[in-house]
Amino acid sequence: EIVLTQSPATLSVSPGERATLSCRASQYIKTDLAWYQQKPGQAPRLLIQGASSRATGIPARFSGSVSGTEFTLTISSLQSEDFAVYYCQHYNTWPPPFGGGTKVEVK
Amino acid sequence: EVQLVESGGGLAQPGRSLRLSCVASGFSIDEYTMHWVRQAPGKGLEWVAGISWNSRSIAYAESVRGRFTISRDNGKNSVHLDIHSPKTGDTARYYCAKDKEVIATAYYFDSWGQGTLVTVSS
Repeated sequence: EIVLTQSPATLSVSPGERATLSCRASQYIKTDLAWYQQKPGQAPRLLIQGASSRATGIPARFSGSVSGTEFTLTISSLQSEDFAVYYCQHYNTWPPPFGGGTKVEVK
Repeated sequence: EVQLVESGGGLAQPGRSLRLSCVASGFSIDEYTMHWVRQAPGKGLEWVAGISWNSRSIAYAESVRGRFTISRDNGKNSVHLDIHSPKTGDTARYYCAKDKEVIATAYYFDSWGQGTLVTVSS
C-alpha cells in the first residue's frame, strides 16, 4: 500500500512570501496526485489534480509540480486566506491514501 | 451550485447502529461515484467508502469493512452510510464527497459537504 509523507508538518510563513510544501510517495504513482486545502471548521477544497493542474476557480498563485515520487505544492505569494492545512492524496487507486497534512501558519 | 448536505450524526453508543445521509443538489448524482471520507478530531483525512453510479461497484476501507454499509438512492439524489456496531475509534466528522470523474471512479473529490459529526461513547 502506498504511503504519502508530507513535510514539514508545520510551515511558518509571512504574508506575501512563498510557501513550498512537499509530499513524498513511497512508490511511483505517475501524476495521480491531488492537493486539498482545509481551513478551520470547513470541508477540504480541491486545489490541484494530476499533480499540476489547478481545479476550477483556483488562483494562479497555487501551483503543483512533480519529480519522480516527490510532489510539491507552491503558493507563490501567501494571502491571508491561504493560511490553512494542506493535504495531498493519491488517487486512481484503492484505498486512496491521504498524506498527514501540512499546516501553513502565520510567521 | 453543487451542494452536499449531510445529516444523521450525533452521539452514538457502542454497538448501536446509526445511518448517515447525504442529499445532493445542483447536480444529479446518477452519473457519479459518491464517497464518504472521515476526519477524527484534530487528525487527518481518511477515505471510508465509495459507491459507483449504478451501485454495482462498492469499496470500503479495511478499517470499516464488515461494519459499514454504503448505499445510494439516485431517485432521491442521496447517499447513505450505515454504521453498524460503532467503536470509539469511529468518532469523526464524516464528509460526503463527489468523485471528480463522470461515470468512472477516480477516487478524488471535487465537491464536499460540511460533514456530520459522529461521537461514539458509552
